Amino acid sequence: EVQLVESGGDLVQPGGSLRLSCAASGFTFSNFEMIWVRQAPGKGLEWVSYISVSGSTTKYADPVQGRFMISRDNARNSLYLQMNSLRVEDTAIYYCARVGRGVNSPFWGQGTLVTVSS
Amino acid sequence: DIQMTQSPSSVSASVGDRVTITCQASQHISNYLNWYQQKPGKAPTVLIYGAYKMETGVPSRFSGSGSGTDFLLTISSLQPEDIATYYCQQYDNLPYTFGQGTKLEI
Repeated sequence: EVQLVESGGDLVQPGGSLRLSCAASGFTFSNFEMIWVRQAPGKGLEWVSYISVSGSTTKYADPVQGRFMISRDNARNSLYLQMNSLRVEDTAIYYCARVGRGVNSPFWGQGTLVTVSS
Repeated sequence: DIQMTQSPSSVSASVGDRVTITCQASQHISNYLNWYQQKPGKAPTVLIYGAYKMETGVPSRFSGSGSGTDFLLTISSLQPEDIATYYCQQYDNLPYTFGQGTKLEI
């Protein structure tokens, strides 16, 4: 069974840092591109970041560029999102997801809540 | 960035109705289009990927069509459990942008 389990969400003060993790199982993690997506309370879905299968290529949405860093450990079947200089507007549920290609469908985790507030 | 425009933003329909949601990309994206369903308080789940491929376990009343810039999600006979918000997403070019969502009410 394919699973993606996010962790690391918490309440943090503005300017603080947080590291999110996503544990993958049930599929060959190293074969899939991965992304992070977030959803602010009552809002739609917003793509946050992308990482290639090897980790050599990464990309970020403009609002998080320079503050967030995506990484992966294929040996540990894990995806990460290091979040620095957090702002109130970063408050959201953060989802990790695999990118579907060809016959392989996309798949999302259940999300982890990040709250940035003083 | 590719802009994804969904319409309508909300729709109210009756059980048994045929419902169609459209998604238009601002540039050609071939078939690189996913459809998601999100029920209140839950994570999004995949309905359709690659524009028309149905995810395993999705009821056959859901279907996807289109290519290039114009795409459709069709529910052939609306059921009460289909109350949700539906999103399209392109994955042809980074950033993998989403439509703004369509809220479906019965």
